[in-house]
Amino acid sequence: DAGVTQSPTHLIKTRGQQVTLRCSPKSGHDTVSWYQQALGQGPQFIFQYYEEEERQRGNFPDRFSGHQFPNYSSELNVNALLLGDSALYLCASSSGMGVRGEQYFGPGTRLTVT
Amino acid sequence: GQNIDQPTEMTATEGAIVQINCTYQTSGFNGLFWYQQHAGEAPTFLSYNVLDGLEEKGRFSSFLSRSKGYSYLLLKELQMKDSASYLCAPENTGFQKLVFGTGTRLLVSP
Repeated sequence: DAGVTQSPTHLIKTRGQQVTLRCSPKSGHDTVSWYQQALGQGPQFIFQYYEEEERQRGNFPDRFSGHQFPNYSSELNVNALLLGDSALYLCASSSGMGVRGEQYFGPGTRLTVT
Repeated sequence: GQNIDQPTEMTATEGAIVQINCTYQTSGFNGLFWYQQHAGEAPTFLSYNVLDGLEEKGRFSSFLSRSKGYSYLLLKELQMKDSASYLCAPENTGFQKLVFGTGTRLLVSP
């Protein structure tokens, strides 16, 4: 049973570019949440997708957008990259209507903006 | 507002017991997660508390007091591999949104 997977592992982009990160949830999970973790900080909630819709959103600008596909996998898109977007991007998978207390993180994507 | 308070750093020796405290204030509360995170890696699930009281899972135990907005993680028989950051994350009501503080960095020495 595969856990949460993310791709790519590492990414280097320049300011102004756009990036797409991908996440596949754990088998049996239908909800994907995205978090940004800057160095030395805890993860910060970006948004959450359930039933292919954004269900709630954290305090992030519109440059951050996402999508969820019918197979529950998800993408995070960031436009007009800034140096401050350099961080570890984590996705967490859970069950929207099922057992509470299950939120598992993927290995993350390390994004560096130069 | 939302606020999570944990000690920034703690040190302990191998074989010892350490308690990492967490106080929180959040807009709505479902339960509380504890995660372990080694440097450069993703957080790993340790525990989830919904009801008041202590839950034990091997060397790790977690306690919750909802009325006091307080939790702690207890690590027994410390091992070198327990050196990591420990993140306390209250879960907001509704839709499984986790709120993290900066975490507690634990250093275990021989």
